[in-house]
Amino acid sequence: KNEVEQSPQNLTAQEGEFITINCSYSVGISALHWLQQHPGGGIVSLFMLSSGKKKHGRLIATINIQEKHSSLHITASHPRDSAVYICAVKDPLGSGYALNFGKGTSLLVTP
Amino acid sequence: DGGITQSPKYLFRKEGQNVTLSCEQNLNHDAMYWYRQDPGQGLRLIYYSQIVNDFQKGDIAEGYSVSREKKESFPLTVTSAQKNPTAFYLCASSILAAEYNEQFFGPGTRLTVL
Repeated sequence: KNEVEQSPQNLTAQEGEFITINCSYSVGISALHWLQQHPGGGIVSLFMLSSGKKKHGRLIATINIQEKHSSLHITASHPRDSAVYICAVKDPLGSGYALNFGKGTSLLVTP
Repeated sequence: DGGITQSPKYLFRKEGQNVTLSCEQNLNHDAMYWYRQDPGQGLRLIYYSQIVNDFQKGDIAEGYSVSREKKESFPLTVTSAQKNPTAFYLCASSILAAEYNEQFFGPGTRLTVL
């Protein structure tokens, strides 16, 4: 089973700060997902990537396949970015098409 | 609107009772999944189904049962055999064989055993 580790576990930032959340995994993968979980519990997909870098608004995700590592960056952070950010990997040898999830990084952005 | 619905949002159950959580999707996705989330832990897979009338156990299937009689529906029953059922339950669906297997999640059901 692919072990997915995220750091930091908790993060507090002031509005406007640049934020980085890290994710590492133990077994080679075919795809990595970044997800956002709002305080009410709903989860939305932010990025899916298998190589390189993707950008959407103030969010940037990068992945280094050789190092088995991905980062999620938030530029010019805002209080509405406060949420739990979850990294998940699609393990080609895992259960069907299910994902393996990290424990999440809880982000609080203060005004 | 296309999406996944779960009901109820909050559910309270007495110890020893079975309870069924609903999950419905109108995305025409073949695959559906049930995950359990506990504080400080990542989502863990309970069951998944890739086709009607077929489903597979995930990592923590003990004490749970599912059915997949229709493509749109994948209900989860939490039985009295589940020792620690209090948790947040999330249902998801995806297209099979998609490159990234993007999963779409429902809003979740928070189950509390009294």
